[in-house]
Amino acid sequence: KQEVTQIPAALSVPEGENLVLNCSFTDSAIYNLQWFRQDPGKGLTSLLLIQSSQREQTSGRLNASLDKSSGRSTLYIAASQPGDSATYLCAARPWAGGFKTIFGAGTRLFVKA
Amino acid sequence: NAGVTQTPKFQVLKTGQSMTLQCAQDMNHNSMYWYRQDPGMGLRLIYYSASEGTTDKGEVPNGYNVSRLNKREFSLRLESAAPSQTSVYFCASSGRYEQYFGPGTRLTVT
Repeated sequence: KQEVTQIPAALSVPEGENLVLNCSFTDSAIYNLQWFRQDPGKGLTSLLLIQSSQREQTSGRLNASLDKSSGRSTLYIAASQPGDSATYLCAARPWAGGFKTIFGAGTRLFVKA
Repeated sequence: NAGVTQTPKFQVLKTGQSMTLQCAQDMNHNSMYWYRQDPGMGLRLIYYSASEGTTDKGEVPNGYNVSRLNKREFSLRLESAAPSQTSVYFCASSGRYEQYFGPGTRLTVT
């Protein structure tokens, strides 16, 4: 059974710092891995999606990597800003039963001005 | 494009009452999903519909029913609400790759 873990559960950094959020999964047979952002009281916004055959994806200050052999994905945020404060979730979509995406519990990020 | 829309945004029910949560997407996606989000539990899949005319159970289906009305709409019904169903409910849809989420329904059962 796929399990997705995100560490740390919460993170506080000063503005301008580069940071890495971690996501680990137990079953490497994934179809893709997606990173989301969730603001308090809001829905999930898709940030980046990495297909099984890809190693990384970039969008602006965000870079996500995928290493299936080690069961890890990282989300790198460059030059963090107070507006980046939110909860970040990763989600692994499996090959078998390909619709049952498993979500991590999220990392709550606070960027201090 | 509205993306994924959900109604209502907020709802308070008494134990034993029934209600239906509505979801619609305008992205021509085949697959649609219902999740619930609880503190400390993360997002859990209740039901999904891989394509129009099909529905399947997710991780936590007990106490819920769904209907895939057409390609655009996927509804979630609580027949007899219980306090344990107090949660935030999200609908999502996907094409071949990404999932897109609605804004959520905050449900309280007293």
